[in-house]
Amino acid sequence: DADVTQTPRNRITKTGKRIMLECSQTKGHDRMYWYRQDPGLGLRLIYYSFDVKDINKGEISDGYSVSRQAQAKFSLSLESAIPNQTALYFCATSDWTGGDEQYFGPGTRLTVT
Amino acid sequence: QKEVEQNSGPLSVPEGAIASLNCTYSDRVSQSFFWYRQYSGKSPELIMSIYSNGDKEDGRFTAQLNKASQYVSLLIRDSQPSDSATYLCAPGSEKLVFGKGTKLTVNP
Repeated sequence: DADVTQTPRNRITKTGKRIMLECSQTKGHDRMYWYRQDPGLGLRLIYYSFDVKDINKGEISDGYSVSRQAQAKFSLSLESAIPNQTALYFCATSDWTGGDEQYFGPGTRLTVT
Repeated sequence: QKEVEQNSGPLSVPEGAIASLNCTYSDRVSQSFFWYRQYSGKSPELIMSIYSNGDKEDGRFTAQLNKASQYVSLLIRDSQPSDSATYLCAPGSEKLVFGKGTKLTVNP
């Protein structure tokens, strides 16, 4: 089984809808991250969490919120989706005691129409 | 200055050649550096970590780090068509900032 899983893998939604993307990990890492990837813009950090009680904004947090429900679970919400949030979203985890390399989930392709 | 800059590419090399990928970074305190490979439509996959100045070899891959010059590179020897992907550089820090990547194509 994959160490980092994301659900759903693909989602099409309409403008104004609320949507949640979920991430779970079995690696036992404390740190979790959400990125979005757009063609030509690379990976951009949305939010990150170093433990269950720690949430930090990344480069592009506007329009997004997160919840760290447990060490293994980190969800990303779009409160009112808009078309320019159409992108590929990745969750990642890392363990700072192990050098902080990040391990990525398979991604969620989100389309907002 | 952008935090992480990579040679923009795309880079095209013939099968069997050496592919050279470069990355410069602005954060002087970074102590670790990572190279990721990303196939189209897939998630980034860690292929190399380097923590000390000098070279680190892993199979056909060699990472070179020069902290004084804030420069890290990745050499791929005997390039194979399966190496065709986008390669991302990321200096280690609390908030990992990725370069935009260099797209490599290895032609059979």
